[in-house]
Amino acid sequence: SAVISQKPSRDICQRGTSLTIQCQVDSQVTMMFWYRQQPGQSLTLIATANQGSEATYESGFVIDKFPISRPNLTFSTLTVSNMSPEDSSIYLCSVDRGAEAFFGQGTRLTVV
Amino acid sequence: AQSVTQLDSQVPVFEEAPVELRCNYSSSVSVYLFWYVQYPNQGLQLLLKYLSGSTLVKGINGFEAEFNKSQTSFHLRKPSVHISDTAEYFCAVSQYDYKLSFGAGTTVTVRA
Repeated sequence: SAVISQKPSRDICQRGTSLTIQCQVDSQVTMMFWYRQQPGQSLTLIATANQGSEATYESGFVIDKFPISRPNLTFSTLTVSNMSPEDSSIYLCSVDRGAEAFFGQGTRLTVV
Repeated sequence: AQSVTQLDSQVPVFEEAPVELRCNYSSSVSVYLFWYVQYPNQGLQLLLKYLSGSTLVKGINGFEAEFNKSQTSFHLRKPSVHISDTAEYFCAVSQYDYKLSFGAGTTVTVRA
């Protein structure tokens, strides 16, 4: 299994500002994944973060809007930049362990 | 690329009645299949997964699912539900890269 801690658990932010979400895993992992869950919708993969290389972004997501850091094998951050109300979502960090994905509790972001 | 279709957006069911949640997927290659549950205001939890082998998979909390390759389906069942099964259920698929594609979700509401 894997224990994933995300911070903050929730935040209310002003439009135009940026928020950095932290994800800490209890053991080393090669890949970390960031997902977004918009209100009332399913989860969508934003990007895959590998240690020592640039993150790989899915279609519709760009580095300027969602910069990701992966300084070591247990930690990653996702920044939501220049926020607008449309960015209001739950952002989840995930890791894979033995073909099973484990998720953090998520960060509930509200942009006003 | 793969996609997932959950055929029922909402399923109301009475306590102790059976429930089936339908999931179909499309993929040009072999996939791994998962069902996740999200209880109100909580994170995602894995119910069960199919990687290979027996097509009938048993998971936690009395849930089971059957993989049908010819029909590209992975339906979830429980013979007798409890009030505590009220939650959002997500079907998901991934390939070797462990990136998950989620269905839109099915809201199960169990009534006494």
